[in-house]
Amino acid sequence: EADIYQTPRYLVIGTGKKITLECSQTMGHDKMYWYQQDPGMELHLIHYSYGVNSTEKGDLSSESTVSRIRTEHFPLTLESARPSHTSQYLCASSEYIGDRKSTEAFFGQGTRLTVV
Amino acid sequence: AQTVTQSQPEMSVQEAETVTLSCTYDTSENNYYLFWYKQPPSRQMILVIRQEAYKQQNATENRFSVNFQKAAKSFSLKISDSQLGDTAMYFCAARGGATNKLIFGTGTLLAVQP
Repeated sequence: EADIYQTPRYLVIGTGKKITLECSQTMGHDKMYWYQQDPGMELHLIHYSYGVNSTEKGDLSSESTVSRIRTEHFPLTLESARPSHTSQYLCASSEYIGDRKSTEAFFGQGTRLTVV
Repeated sequence: AQTVTQSQPEMSVQEAETVTLSCTYDTSENNYYLFWYKQPPSRQMILVIRQEAYKQQNATENRFSVNFQKAAKSFSLKISDSQLGDTAMYFCAARGGATNKLIFGTGTLLAVQP
């Protein structure tokens, strides 16, 4: 079982509220990812990090922001939630060993966010 | 940039039969990795099988095997002796390059029928 955790599992929140989705892993992985998953199940990369203090935007534009102050922690923040942010958010991590070797990505159980 | 394409939104197979899920990809990287992930109704993503692009031999994990055609940029998943527990969404994914971004296809919903 992967040691990567997301909290909360489910969140219902009102429009305009600030929220932070937590993601933590205890595997010491340097790479971490946030994906947004549509109701139709398609996964879109919205943020990734390849180490402490390094974050990049993914392929899907998102109003959320991320930070990576510690290796094990990669929180995602929405300053002002809107109904269009309603989705499933998946966090993942992986390790690049180098020289053609890499681990697979391990996923958390996801956060189902509903903005009303 | 990397892209991953799954052209089968849904598939169905009878229990104990064999099914093949298709995936094509495009990348400019020389060193990359390909994966098949499974997402059951419980929604936690689980790795099914992985393939390093530099390896010519097709990866196999019990009932799961891949047909990796590097020149054609094709990476299909074969599930033998399908079981009811194989019912899930299956995602093909690719990762490579210095940033190691993991990019997913749109998924194939597989239903195993009793």
